Amino acid sequence: GAVVSQHPSRVICKSGTSVKIECRSLDFQATTMFWYRQFPKQSLMLMATSNEGSKATYEQGVEKDKFLINHASLTLSTLTVTSAHPEDSSFYICSASPDRGETQYFGPGTRLLVL
Amino acid sequence: GQNIDQPTEMTATEGAIVQINCTYQTSGFNGLFWYQQHAGEAPTFLSYNVLDGLEEKGRFSSFLSRSKGYSYLLLKELQMKDSASYLCAVRALPYSSASKIIFGSGTRLSIRP
Repeated sequence: GAVVSQHPSRVICKSGTSVKIECRSLDFQATTMFWYRQFPKQSLMLMATSNEGSKATYEQGVEKDKFLINHASLTLSTLTVTSAHPEDSSFYICSASPDRGETQYFGPGTRLLVL
Repeated sequence: GQNIDQPTEMTATEGAIVQINCTYQTSGFNGLFWYQQHAGEAPTFLSYNVLDGLEEKGRFSSFLSRSKGYSYLLLKELQMKDSASYLCAVRALPYSSASKIIFGSGTRLSIRP
């Protein structure tokens, strides 16, 4: 089956630093990748959609300058949380799709804690 | 607007049957998903309905009525490991560069012995 990995699985950082999260599709080419954020006891909220080689499309209310997304290849997308603050602490989950999103495979998630 | 409603919490007994309901109002509809999510883990796919009717897959079944904007997930022969959150998600239009999936807030199911 399709496998999506995320790295790191858990990260703790100081306020003001930047954190990069990688999302990789291991056995298929991901035309589209999605980034979600999930706060405790809440559901997944879509942050942005990225297509390989083009700019990401951000959801309303998500700051594109704060959450930098790069989808440089068909197997890798990165999310960089710039100048992280404690309120950015959350569970970040990516999903990868071999098409335009009809099928999505979720990564295991990255838990970010900003002190 | 986009709105997906499901109960916040449910409790059921091991070996029993439970039905988790989901209603949705979205600007367009292109399929409904059910996912299972254990605490601290990413969601795992359970089912996908795009046409009206019941889809059965082992102990899990999912039903869809597009005219009513309604779906349910039916879990039979409940096991302790079924304790998890169950997310209802709708793929809504407009269809731009990619299909956007909107998630409900999830139903936290607790199974008691």
